[in-house]
Amino acid sequence: ETGVTQTPRHLVMGMTNKKSLKCEQHLGHNAMYWYKQSAKKPLELMFVYNFKEQTENNSVPSRFSPECPNSSHLFLHLHTLQPEDSALYLCASSQVTENTEAFFGQGTRLTVV
Amino acid sequence: QQPVQSPQAVILREGEDAVINCSSSKALYSVHWYRQKHGEAPVFLMILLKGGEQKGHDKISASFNEKKQQSSLYLTASQLSYSGTYFCGTGTTSGTYKYIFGTGTRLKVLA
Repeated sequence: ETGVTQTPRHLVMGMTNKKSLKCEQHLGHNAMYWYKQSAKKPLELMFVYNFKEQTENNSVPSRFSPECPNSSHLFLHLHTLQPEDSALYLCASSQVTENTEAFFGQGTRLTVV
Repeated sequence: QQPVQSPQAVILREGEDAVINCSSSKALYSVHWYRQKHGEAPVFLMILLKGGEQKGHDKISASFNEKKQQSSLYLTASQLSYSGTYFCGTGTTSGTYKYIFGTGTRLKVLA
């Protein structure tokens, strides 16, 4: 256990569905991240939140919509996804301080059918 | 841009050594190393904060050459438990602090 919990662990959804991924951390961190991990691009940064404010959107399509209601929770809302969006989605957290480590959740394995 | 790691994959026998390299086209302020076992979350190994710094614990160590924008991870006398995918990560300080990870190196240690 790394202190970062992601749910669900596995998700299968149709292209017309709407679903949400959840990430929760109890480490007192104030930065949270979404990464996409696929065979083609091992660990691709999607979004960064510092103190609940989005500070980075790495040109992610609008069918992915992040939400950070507080420093401990992060969501990724999904709608009208494509099969190529199938991947492992990893959440991470850290302090907003230079040069500290990131803690990762175990990820949500998403399959879009 | 993601740092580039080499080799992409390596297979070792127990007890053999390996070196994984990480190169960046941008200036590195710090380098992190993580290991991810299959089906698990990436786990932090170590961070190098200064150019020329070397760190290590057990039989895994790393070096950081700031001028060359490179870092190397050294695995000595490898054990079965070393198997996994290794990622270097660079911390950037341009406005937003974030982690950009390298392309990954799959390492498999055989008995």
